[in-house]
Amino acid sequence: QKEVEQDPGPLSVPEGAIVSLNCTYSNSAFQYFMWYRQYSRKGPELLMYTYSSGNKEDGRFTAQVDKSSKYISLFIRDSQPSDSATYLCAMNAGRANFGNEKLTFGTGTRLTIIP
Amino acid sequence: DGGITQSPKYLFRKEGQNVTLSCEQNLNHDAMYWYRQDPGQGLRLIYYSQIVNDFQKGDIAEGYSVSREKKESFPLTVTSAQKNPTAFYLCASRTTSGGYNEQFFGPGTRLTVL
Repeated sequence: QKEVEQDPGPLSVPEGAIVSLNCTYSNSAFQYFMWYRQYSRKGPELLMYTYSSGNKEDGRFTAQVDKSSKYISLFIRDSQPSDSATYLCAMNAGRANFGNEKLTFGTGTRLTIIP
Repeated sequence: DGGITQSPKYLFRKEGQNVTLSCEQNLNHDAMYWYRQDPGQGLRLIYYSQIVNDFQKGDIAEGYSVSREKKESFPLTVTSAQKNPTAFYLCASRTTSGGYNEQFFGPGTRLTVL
């Protein structure tokens, strides 16, 4: 079983819809959670960074962490065609510089927003 | 304009050849990383370096080598010992102050073995 599971999709939704992307994980030590967006043939771009449980909002994006369920989500409101990309979740057990260099990534969900 | 650059964008190699992928950053980050990305798999860590002249193996270091002679540069050599080198290679960096985990990525190099 992988430490981080992410539905690869593809996921297609109409423009303007709310998108929900999710990851589950098995390592209860994970505390830091990230979402990256990756356009085709490009490097991943950091979208959201959260610590422990709770919500974080940035514009149209909301990241949610439920540590009790080992489940994280990324919501995209008012989705745009420019949001079409692969979304990767990543997580880490502790603060870096304390032997916690490694990020564990999901496989990514391919999202297409249909105009 | 700060960022991470990788070159070349596309690289073709014959079997049995070593190739070196370049990664340069002007973000003044201390830590740098190399990942490999294959279809249907998450990013896998090859090597990382927290400081000049020091580096550590990641999960899939076999068949790869790195050097860190300058803070700005972290080149990756894919050797002929790497059995399946065709992949998308990503370089990343992060600041070590504050212990933040966010890593920032370069645009990637797509390596194809012919």
